[in-house]
Amino acid sequence: GESVGLHLPTLSVQEGDNSIINCAYSNSASDYFIWYKQESGKGPQFIIDIRSNMDKRQGQRVTVLLNKTVKHLSLQIAATQPGDSAVYFCAEGRDKIIFGKGTRLHILP
Amino acid sequence: EPEVTQTPSHQVTQMGQEVILRCVPISNHLYFYWYRQILGQKVEFLVSFYNNEISEKSEIFDDQFSVERPDGSNFTLKIRSTKLEDSAMYFCASSDQGQGLYEQYFGPGTRLTVT
Repeated sequence: GESVGLHLPTLSVQEGDNSIINCAYSNSASDYFIWYKQESGKGPQFIIDIRSNMDKRQGQRVTVLLNKTVKHLSLQIAATQPGDSAVYFCAEGRDKIIFGKGTRLHILP
Repeated sequence: EPEVTQTPSHQVTQMGQEVILRCVPISNHLYFYWYRQILGQKVEFLVSFYNNEISEKSEIFDDQFSVERPDGSNFTLKIRSTKLEDSAMYFCASSDQGQGLYEQYFGPGTRLTVT
């Protein structure tokens, strides 16, 4: 079965609003999670990662939250911009990365 | 900023032909990977390579697939006898994994079309 999966295949957000993309995982032994962004015609681009000994990690305009109790991961993008339009994947693993299905983020003007 | 490069960007081949996809990882990286993404689907792990040998491979990576680091800069994926279902984007990635950094940097991909 799938070890990581996203909740919604698409998400539409007004420009300037915050975006929240959710992901669930099934393997309670997973200890490293990553969010990738994939723009059309390009390879996955690392956004942010988090280890299982953390609940929250912040980057530039992005925050990842990890809830190990319910095996849930989320990516929050603050003040969403047109350049944030892409497919977002949650993934787990340090060497062999297991990707979930993506969520396409649409930015509404 | 250093980046992973891949050639060609698009490869069209006939079923049964051999193809070699090429990658130049980031120069100081020691860990190399191939992934594939069938159109509209998620990215799938194929193989990881370290110290001149395969460290892990998926069930997709059967006897038709092989990888090689022929020199100090290139990393190649060979498919011996392509099938229609091999049509996909193939991504190369590399990582340093020094000091606990596991970030994998992906190349732009090679679109393989098998006809």
